[in-house]
Amino acid sequence: DAGVTQSPTHLIKTRGQHVTLRCSPISGHKSVSWYQQVLGQGPQFIFQYYEKEERGRGNFPDRFSARQFPNYSSELNVNALLLGDSALYLCASSLERQSTQPQHFGDGTRLSIL
Amino acid sequence: DQQVKQNSPSLSVQEGRISILNCDYTNSMFDYFLWYKKYPAEGPTFLISISSIKDKNEDGRFTVFLNKSAKHLSLHIVPSQPGDSAVYFCAASADDGSSNTGKLIFGQGTTLQVKP
Repeated sequence: DAGVTQSPTHLIKTRGQHVTLRCSPISGHKSVSWYQQVLGQGPQFIFQYYEKEERGRGNFPDRFSARQFPNYSSELNVNALLLGDSALYLCASSLERQSTQPQHFGDGTRLSIL
Repeated sequence: DQQVKQNSPSLSVQEGRISILNCDYTNSMFDYFLWYKKYPAEGPTFLISISSIKDKNEDGRFTVFLNKSAKHLSLHIVPSQPGDSAVYFCAASADDGSSNTGKLIFGQGTTLQVKP
């Protein structure tokens, strides 16, 4: 069975550009969450989407946005990129949105800002 | 404010011995705790979880212990194998009725090295 898939795996952008990252959840999973991981730290929560609606948001600026499609796949958009946005962006899916559901992660998109 | 802390950045153990990874938390609303393992260039892999109504959960070589009064959890791996060498993250979530119910809060990670 396919796990969580993310694309692209690597991306290089320059300051001020925008980027779109994509995620396909495990089949049957309805909830998708996005996390940012910088070197030496644990992942930080950005968004949770469930049934195509935003259900949770972390402490990130409005430059970050996301959406979920009817097939439960998701996109993360970041506008006006800053050097500090360089990180590994992880997508995770779970069956439902409750806190007691384990989230399963993809391998991430490594975003580098020059 | 770091709500979930892993105070040991690294741990080295001999193959066959027990590995004990520790995690402390501050938010008493957390009701679900998880451990993930992460290899370089891969995403975190779910290992084991525990609900706050339990104090122990076991899955093969992995056992997680939860001490709610101390706000402390630990992951025991026995026996440790070289393939267990990875970064281990503990994470916590809370069903506090807010929109962030599905939000996981992670510790900083502990790098485990198991020597042959």
